[in-house]
Amino acid sequence: ILNVEQSPQSLHVQEGDSTNFTCSFPSSNFYALHWYRWETAKSPEALFVMTLNGDEKKKGRISATLNTKEGYSYLYIKGSQPEDSATYLCAFPRLSGNTPLVFGKGTRLSVIA
Amino acid sequence: EPEVTQTPSHQVTQMGQEVILRCVPISNHLYFYWYRQILGQKVEFLVSFYNNEISEKSEIFDDQFSVERPDGSNFTLKIRSTKLEDSAMYFCASSSGTENSPLHFGNGTRLTVT
Repeated sequence: ILNVEQSPQSLHVQEGDSTNFTCSFPSSNFYALHWYRWETAKSPEALFVMTLNGDEKKKGRISATLNTKEGYSYLYIKGSQPEDSATYLCAFPRLSGNTPLVFGKGTRLSVIA
Repeated sequence: EPEVTQTPSHQVTQMGQEVILRCVPISNHLYFYWYRQILGQKVEFLVSFYNNEISEKSEIFDDQFSVERPDGSNFTLKIRSTKLEDSAMYFCASSSGTENSPLHFGNGTRLTVT
């Protein structure tokens, strides 16, 4: 059974702090790793889709790295702002790249002004 | 930017009643999905739809559930006889069909079964 684990479950940081959290996934039969940001009362929004071992992607102050051999990805937020408060979900395709995603439980980030 | 829209945003129904959740995916997308999240749990896959038929379904998607694309734009999820444990946030999503393309989600329908 495919399982995606995220840690920590929740995180409280002060505005301006940098933070990171982890997504662990099965390292065998890897296709892709997705990161989504889910703000309260909105829809989950895609941040990154990562496919290559060692890949690093960046979007503004948010970046992510990927290690497919050991089965983990880190999401980093530099200089957290209150608007970064959201649940960050990672997900993994069940079979190949267009198959349904298996989601982790998410990391709930609260940035305190 | 085109978006996935879902209606209603909140639906309250009594146990045993039928509900239909509606979605309008992004118009040029090829894959459509329903996911749900029971409060405090993971987002779970229910069903995927491609080329006018179900391409994959999970063990959750039993005979009580059905999906339909009645016209060129709508994508619906029907629950025939709702149970208390069907209470959840139901998300519709679509993707372009390009390998490893991201999902585009709607805002969800919160279903409460009493």
